[in-house]
This record gives sequence, C-alpha cells and structure tokens, in this order.
Amino acid sequence: QVTLKESGPALVKPTQTLTLTCTFSGFSLSTRGIRVGWIRQPPGKALEWLARIDWDDDEFYRTSLKTRLTISKDTSKNQVFLTMTNMDPVDTATYYCARMNGFCSGDSCYSVGFDVWGQETKVTVSS
Amino acid sequence: EIVLTQSPGTLSLSPGERATLSCRASQSVTSNSLAWYQQKPGQAPRLLIYGTSNRATGIPDRFSGSGSGTEFTLTISRLEPEDFAVYSCHQYGNSLFTFGPGTRVDIK
Repeated sequence: QVTLKESGPALVKPTQTLTLTCTFSGFSLSTRGIRVGWIRQPPGKALEWLARIDWDDDEFYRTSLKTRLTISKDTSKNQVFLTMTNMDPVDTATYYCARMNGFCSGDSCYSVGFDVWGQETKVTVSS
Repeated sequence: EIVLTQSPGTLSLSPGERATLSCRASQSVTSNSLAWYQQKPGQAPRLLIYGTSNRATGIPDRFSGSGSGTEFTLTISRLEPEDFAVYSCHQYGNSLFTFGPGTRVDIK
C-alpha cells in the first residue's frame, strides 16, 4: 500500500523559513520513473504545483517561487523535504505531497499523474 | 509555464445529467500528459484520468477524458450524487507542471 504523510509546523511567522517533510511508504524514489511533488492550495483557491523531485535527482520548481524553494530527498529514509524561505501571509495554505507514478521502457518513461496524495498539512503564516 | 484555463467556472446540474468540463492549455501539452482530479471539501484531490483519456484505478466508467494538443475535455456521463465536487486539470508534459483553476459541479 502506497501512503504519503506530510509533517511540519502549523504556524510560522513572516520572514521565517518553512520546512516540510513528506514521509512515504510502499514505493521507492530510486525506482526509475517515480517522482514526488509538492502542491499547495490557499484557502478557497486552486491547486498550485510548487516543486518536484525525480528518481534521478532532477529538481523542478514553480517559476514564481523558484528563488524561495528547495526540494530534496533522503531515499534511504523514504522522505522528501521542501523548504520555503521568507514566508509571507499569502503562503498560508494547505500543503500536499504526492507521488507521480511512472513506467519506463527503454529510454522513455510514461507518467500517470499524481496518483497518491498525502493527507495534507495546513500552514498558517502570521505574526 | 503552460497556463491552463478551465470552463465553465461552475456547472449546475441535476443527478443523472451529463457534465462536460473543458480545459484549455496556452500551448500544446507534450505527449497529451493531461490529468483530471476530483476534490471534495476537506479532502485531498483524487486522480480520475491520466494521459488525457486513461481512467485511474477504481474510477467508474462514467468518467471519460478526451482531447489533444491544447483542448481537453472531462465528461461525466450520468452524474451520481457523489460526483458533485471540484474538478481540476493538470498538465505534466512540460517540466514545470501546472494546474487549472478548477470547475465546480454543483447540484441544481
């Protein structure tokens, strides 16, 4: 069974750095084709993709937040981390991590979307 | 980044009716790597469709996806009471993923 669970502070002050941890089970991030992403959803608003890290250590970031985000992984502990610097009240949101499963054949890999999501962690930015 | 636009913003329908939701991309989605998610209040999104037209595991066949390039559609053939929710499209063909703003399907 594939599960992911986010953890981190529920409340951070403006200008602080947020660190979120995604602990997962049932798959390995060293398996070719597997990706883990972070997505957030401000209250009452749409989903926003933030970052992703791939099985081959490739990292990609939302353009508007690229200077503030760092994604990393500890494959041995089945964890993915997201740090976001200089937090602002507009960063108040529900944060999700999710697995993107993929299947590879030869040089090509075919992804199937974010098929399993964590249960969410709510982050409020306030002084 | 590819910008996704969804229409309509809200769809008010009755159970048993057909729902047609649209997702338009600002540029062609590579390999038709377009997914649809359903989200209910207080819950994480659930993957419905991936690769434009493939149903995810356990998704009923009343949900179907179609399209190519920049125009994609999610169709719910006959709405069940549990289908009233928000539906979001997501492109993952570009290195930088994006989500659409969502379509809310309300009970009329």
